[in-house]
Amino acid sequence: NAGVMQNPRHLVRRRGQEARLRCSPMKGHSHVYWYRQLPEEGLKFMVYLQKENIIDESGMPKERFSAEFPKEGPSILRIQQVVRGDSAAYFCASSPVVAGYEQYFGPGTRLTVT
Amino acid sequence: AQTVTQSQPEMSVQEAETVTLSCTYDTSESNYYLFWYKQPPSRQMILVIRQEAYKQQNATENRFSVNFQKAAKSFSLKISDSQLGDTAMYFCAFMIDQGGSEKLVFGKGTKLTVNP
Repeated sequence: NAGVMQNPRHLVRRRGQEARLRCSPMKGHSHVYWYRQLPEEGLKFMVYLQKENIIDESGMPKERFSAEFPKEGPSILRIQQVVRGDSAAYFCASSPVVAGYEQYFGPGTRLTVT
Repeated sequence: AQTVTQSQPEMSVQEAETVTLSCTYDTSESNYYLFWYKQPPSRQMILVIRQEAYKQQNATENRFSVNFQKAAKSFSLKISDSQLGDTAMYFCAFMIDQGGSEKLVFGKGTKLTVNP
């Protein structure tokens, strides 16, 4: 059973460009979470999705950020018009349906905005 | 608001010795889950141990055990017989089931170095 897959592992964007981060959850997992980790910080929750539904986006900035988890294909975190402050590691996690279950993390995408 | 505090930014321990990492949290919920995650230099987040708040018995996982004090809202991690491979950032986190959203709230982490 493959783990959570994220790509790309490293992404460099110039200010004003768009960044697209992809996450494929573990097989059988229908819950996807995105977290952001700034340097020297813990992970901060951004958004929680199930297939075709955003359940909780309370941690996501209101502008420039969006997320989706379509019926087919990976979950996408999209950042439009990136700024230097968006430079961070973005982690995706997935879990099965059971409440309180472990979230399995992907290896993360390190975004650098130049 | 739910918060997690890890008061030790950095710690070090000699190989084969025991070390305890501290974690306190703040929540008004009565039912929640607590976790310790390890993040080695590869940055991969790895679950170390998990505890349900309704269980009084402290969780153990091989060399890793917790001291869960619900009234004090304390959840410390003890690593016995430390190994060089335990060198990593350790994050304490908790999760509540709030309206169907099971997000993790993380502390800022403790950087643990195991010295040979």
